[in-house]
Amino acid sequence: GENVEQHPSTLSVQEGDSAVIKCTYSDSASNYFPWYKQELGKGPQLIIDIRSNVGEKKDQRIAVTLNKTAKHFSLHITETQPEDSAVYFCAASFSSYKLIFGSGTRLLVRP
Amino acid sequence: SQTIHQWPATLVQPVGSPLSLECTVEGTSNPNLYWYRQAAGRGLQLLFYSIGIDQISSEVPQNLSASRPQDRQFILSSKKLLLSDSGFYLCAWITGAGNTIYFGEGSWLTVV
Repeated sequence: GENVEQHPSTLSVQEGDSAVIKCTYSDSASNYFPWYKQELGKGPQLIIDIRSNVGEKKDQRIAVTLNKTAKHFSLHITETQPEDSAVYFCAASFSSYKLIFGSGTRLLVRP
Repeated sequence: SQTIHQWPATLVQPVGSPLSLECTVEGTSNPNLYWYRQAAGRGLQLLFYSIGIDQISSEVPQNLSASRPQDRQFILSSKKLLLSDSGFYLCAWITGAGNTIYFGEGSWLTVV
């Protein structure tokens, strides 16, 4: 069935260290993989996305990698800052209309 | 620019009462519209999506229903709320190009 698994569920890092969140998806036809950041009491905000014709994408301190063969993709945050603390969600498209989300990772960046 | 409005922001309702959450999108036409639910500390569960007026797809059997009476209006309803309906409800839409989903600010529903 349609499924996206996300790990870890919680992640605590020291300010300045890197953080990595990993997701796997079930449908090999999925071709779009966004990442969202959700702060407390707010709707998720898109931070970066990648399509299946690209293996890696970077935007300043944030990067996403995609391994289509293994059906997994990862979010990398370098030089973490306290304001990076939030819940992060990965997602994968399962059709032109449907986006299925992972269960979320609560990231805590310790000052 | 495109914007999405969702209301009410918070709602406390007794068990058995009806529910109506409303979402409207501005600055675009014929968007795909979505309702997601997020239980406390949990992930995002897709409830309904709509590709056009009166075209609703339900993802999970439940106590809720959705309607799309106008192109840019999406409504989530219930005739009788259950305690398990409590959660954070998010309306979302897809841009005309590609699959980027943008979310509203959400509605907190507490059923007591």
